[in-house]
Amino acid sequence: DTAVSQTPKYLVTQMGNDKSIKCEQNLGHDTMYWYKQDSKKFLKIMFSYNNKELIINETVPNRFSPKSPDKAHLNLHINSLELGDSAVYFCASSQGSGNTIYFGEGSWLTVV
Amino acid sequence: KQEVTQIPAALSVPEGENLVLNCSFTDSAIYNLQWFRQDPGKGLTSLLLIQSSQREQTSGRLNASLDKSSGRSTLYIAASQPGDSATYLCAVSLRSNDYKLSFGAGTTVTVRA
Repeated sequence: DTAVSQTPKYLVTQMGNDKSIKCEQNLGHDTMYWYKQDSKKFLKIMFSYNNKELIINETVPNRFSPKSPDKAHLNLHINSLELGDSAVYFCASSQGSGNTIYFGEGSWLTVV
Repeated sequence: KQEVTQIPAALSVPEGENLVLNCSFTDSAIYNLQWFRQDPGKGLTSLLLIQSSQREQTSGRLNASLDKSSGRSTLYIAASQPGDSATYLCAVSLRSNDYKLSFGAGTTVTVRA
């Protein structure tokens, strides 16, 4: 069983479209994250949720809206996609803070 | 603002050689440091987590050391194998209630058979 799974793995879409990436974890963790990895391979946190509450929103444009319907799910919705949004988006989870973080396999978003 | 640097960006070694990967961070007041492995087209796999009170952690052929005062961590991989080829990233957490990690850009390792 995959611990942190995200779909879709690959997504090619046109500028201006709205798209969503879904994430689910079966580890029983109370904290979930979205990270963005750019073309230079830097990973940067976008959002963090703890027990469905937003605790980190790292100056991400408000076109990005995370939604956590329950502790096991954290979805990412992106409105009005721009070319610069092309990147790999990683979902992750952990039990609380300061503990080992488990990552999904990434979602490759290409905006054309 | 915490900045994490990994040098070199890429490393190529023959099979059997020991690997030494470096990570430095600007703010020494860290809570813990994690080393991850990323294979092409895959997510990150946590290798080792070192708490700020620890000097090193070991798992099999992997050993990670931490020198908080100098802002450095080193990942040693003994007797490298082609299967160790991957990108290795380090990440630091500043506080116990810090829900975000600051990542380095990684070192891409190639182990030649």
